[in-house]
Amino acid sequence: QKEVEQDPGPLSVPEGAIVSLNCTYSNSAFQYFMWYRQYSRKGPELLMYTYSSGNKEDGRFTAQVDKSSKYISLFIRDSQPSDSATYLCAMSRGSGTYKYIFGTGTRLKVLA
Amino acid sequence: ETGVTQSPTHLIKTRGQQVTLRCSSQSGHNTVSWYQQALGQGPQFIFQYYREEENGRGNFPPRFSGLQFPNYSSELNVNALELDDSALYLCASSFGELAKNIQYFGAGTRLSVL
Repeated sequence: QKEVEQDPGPLSVPEGAIVSLNCTYSNSAFQYFMWYRQYSRKGPELLMYTYSSGNKEDGRFTAQVDKSSKYISLFIRDSQPSDSATYLCAMSRGSGTYKYIFGTGTRLKVLA
Repeated sequence: ETGVTQSPTHLIKTRGQQVTLRCSSQSGHNTVSWYQQALGQGPQFIFQYYREEENGRGNFPPRFSGLQFPNYSSELNVNALELDDSALYLCASSFGELAKNIQYFGAGTRLSVL
């Protein structure tokens, strides 16, 4: 079993829809949770960074972390065709560690 | 743009050859991490360099090696290339080696091994 599980999609939604992207994980030691967006043939771009449980909002993006369920989510409001990309969740343990563990990524297509 | 630059953008090699990939970290960052991203997969951690020393390593064989220079730029070297080494190689820089230090990624080097 992988440490981080993410549905690869593809997920197709109409423009303006609310998008929900999710990851589950098995390692309860994870403390830092990130969402990256990756356009085709580009490097990952950081969208959201969250420490421990709770919600964080930035513009159209909201990240949620539920450590009791080992479940994280990214919500995109008013989705745009320019949001079409692969969304990667990443997580890491607390102090003394350094590496990020990534999900496989979910491909999102927002249709105009 | 993150300020992390990687070169070359694309590379084609044959099995058994050696390759060197380069990364310049973002200004002010002293830590570089390397990841391998196979097609359709998430990035996998190769190793991290902090203050010119290898600070940790993922599940990759010794033919994957690296260096960090005093200006914090870094190289990834892969010897005896295999077909499965074909992937996007990503460099990420951060200020500090800890998990709390956010890693910012470059655009990657796409390596094809024939």
